[in-house]
Amino acid sequence: GAVVSQHPSWVICKSGTSVKIECRSLDFQATTMFWYRQFPKQSLMLMATSNEGSKATYEQGVEKDKFLINHASLTLSTLTVTSAHPEDSSFYICSASGGPNEKLFFGSGTQLSVL
Amino acid sequence: QKEVEQDPGPLSVPEGAIVSLNCTYSNSAFQYFMWYRQYSRKGPELLMYTYSSGNKEDGRFTAQVDKSSKYISLFIRDSQPSDSATYLCAMSLLGNNDMRFGAGTRLTVKP
Repeated sequence: GAVVSQHPSWVICKSGTSVKIECRSLDFQATTMFWYRQFPKQSLMLMATSNEGSKATYEQGVEKDKFLINHASLTLSTLTVTSAHPEDSSFYICSASGGPNEKLFFGSGTQLSVL
Repeated sequence: QKEVEQDPGPLSVPEGAIVSLNCTYSNSAFQYFMWYRQYSRKGPELLMYTYSSGNKEDGRFTAQVDKSSKYISLFIRDSQPSDSATYLCAMSLLGNNDMRFGAGTRLTVKP
């Protein structure tokens, strides 16, 4: 199956710093990538939809200035958590597909802990 | 009412048992139905992908969709301890851009 690589798998940072998470599609071109947040024992919460070459579409309640998304190429999208605070600590997951009707594949997730 | 309802469990079964996981949904327009398996602190892995009503089988896994009842199921035969994970149902209208996830059911298969 298709492979989506996500890095880093975990990161610990101090409050006020910024953290960048990368999501790469390794064997297909991803026209669309999605970013989710997942709290313990809860389902995936869609944060934003990222289309290559255009601005991301954020879900209601998600601060676009805090969660910066860049989808500069068909194989790479990045999520930057700016000025992270302890309440931003969570498991962040990306997913990618080759098109709206193609199967969706997930990255391995990034556990962010903000001290 | 949530668009997708899934019992979070936890569900515990002995090795070799048949497992039945279920989701109900409220939007009759959903067309695509998926099941994902997620191990702790990992991203979800696509298990089954179906477009229409009926059954789809893949090894020990069978996905069932009943659009008239707005009900989908995943059956796992001869369950193994390695099947212990959280299983998420997902569905969408037009494709990936509007996918909705269930809360996930935590399954433990005991040796």
